[in-house]
Amino acid sequence: DAKTTQPPSMDCAEGRAANLPCNHSTISGNEYVYWYRQIHSQGPQYIIHGLKNNETNEMASLIITEDRKSSTLILPHATLRDTAVYYCIVRAINNAGNMLTFGGGTRLMVKP
Amino acid sequence: GAVVSQHPSWVICKSGTSVKIECRSLDFQATTMFWYRQFPKQSLMLMATSNEGSKATYEQGVEKDKFLINHASLTLSTLTVTSAHPEDSSFYICSARDPAAGSYNEQFFGPGTRLTVL
Repeated sequence: DAKTTQPPSMDCAEGRAANLPCNHSTISGNEYVYWYRQIHSQGPQYIIHGLKNNETNEMASLIITEDRKSSTLILPHATLRDTAVYYCIVRAINNAGNMLTFGGGTRLMVKP
Repeated sequence: GAVVSQHPSWVICKSGTSVKIECRSLDFQATTMFWYRQFPKQSLMLMATSNEGSKATYEQGVEKDKFLINHASLTLSTLTVTSAHPEDSSFYICSARDPAAGSYNEQFFGPGTRLTVL
């Protein structure tokens, strides 16, 4: 699976949009971009995933560049409860084991 | 989404004892479950892939005789840390995939079990 690069930490003001970037310049055509987050001392939580089109759900929006080499997770109105480590993961469609390889992630701190 | 539970949520044990951690898929059947370990301020590291009815597949560097995995049913996988030592103290997290949701679906993670070995 392709390697991802994320900034180690980011701050965001409560109520503002949080934009978390991820670089996956070696992504292959059959690889999806997944985002998970982990609140302190909890298991990871699925947020969203996409292949090439932008995606939106009740939690966030995922913007994938046209060349698919980078993406941005957007939390439109960050709250204090969104403080967590956010992981961007690229995984092949034909990953028979469906395992996820976690990188360092981005530690998002939402401040009042 | 699907729910995965773990039991216990935390455990403290003496060095040399064995500890069993359970991972259950509550509302779906999981043919495959995964076990991760996470040390403080580090990312999750995959330990092994647990397949129902067959032997688990361990990642390089993970001792299969120390970390016994049993996936006896479609809703339960157990991880037993045998002869635990203080260096085994960690946050153990399981995840499961719901095959009914398709090949590209997300994995569902349990809440984790914090093991402290004294």
